[in-house]
Amino acid sequence: AQSVTQLDSQVPVFEEAPVELRCNYSSSVSVYLFWYVQYPNQGLQLLLKYLSGSTLVKGINGFEAEFNKSQTSFHLRKPSVHISDTAEYFCAVSEGNAGNMLTFGGGTRLMVKP
Amino acid sequence: GAGVSQSPSNKVTEKGKDVELRCDPISGHTALYWYRQSLGQGLEFLIYFQGNSAPDKSGLPSDRFSAERTGGSVSTLTIQRTQQEDSAVYLCASSLQTGGRYEQYFGPGTRLTVT
Repeated sequence: AQSVTQLDSQVPVFEEAPVELRCNYSSSVSVYLFWYVQYPNQGLQLLLKYLSGSTLVKGINGFEAEFNKSQTSFHLRKPSVHISDTAEYFCAVSEGNAGNMLTFGGGTRLMVKP
Repeated sequence: GAGVSQSPSNKVTEKGKDVELRCDPISGHTALYWYRQSLGQGLEFLIYFQGNSAPDKSGLPSDRFSAERTGGSVSTLTIQRTQQEDSAVYLCASSLQTGGRYEQYFGPGTRLTVT
């Protein structure tokens, strides 16, 4: 069975500083990897996804993530955050050879301070 | 175009009552999913439908939970004899097809409170 671990439940950061949100997964088969963002009282919005090919993927709002197969990680990064990036971020995996239900990590609350 | 919609947005019910939660997927999407988001358990998969195939019910936590999808479009999640531990936000998502590479689009959720 697959599982996802987000190591930090909360990440406080000052505006315009860089940020990295960590995600590690475990699976016995190939996976697809996703990052979703959830703003207060809203549903989940896809930030970016890794399906295959280049291990560095770029998403919306200036976010990017790097797939590292040997370390089974998919960390999310942004070089300069804005107040509007304050939200909950979820890493998720779906196994490539099965139905595509998503398995989510516990989420990381990014708090951007002025 | 219109996204995934869910109704009601909020539902308060008494323990032991039955509730129905509705999901309208994006038009043309053949796959539909239900997830639950709760403080203790995070985001959990419940059930998914793909076209006319039998649904994958592997995530349903008990037999009090059921779901149906009529005409390949609208879906209803039913919880019978609600318990306080059922309090959560229930999220619906749809995608063009099943298969891990297809993006899932999420609705705003229904917040269920069982008193």
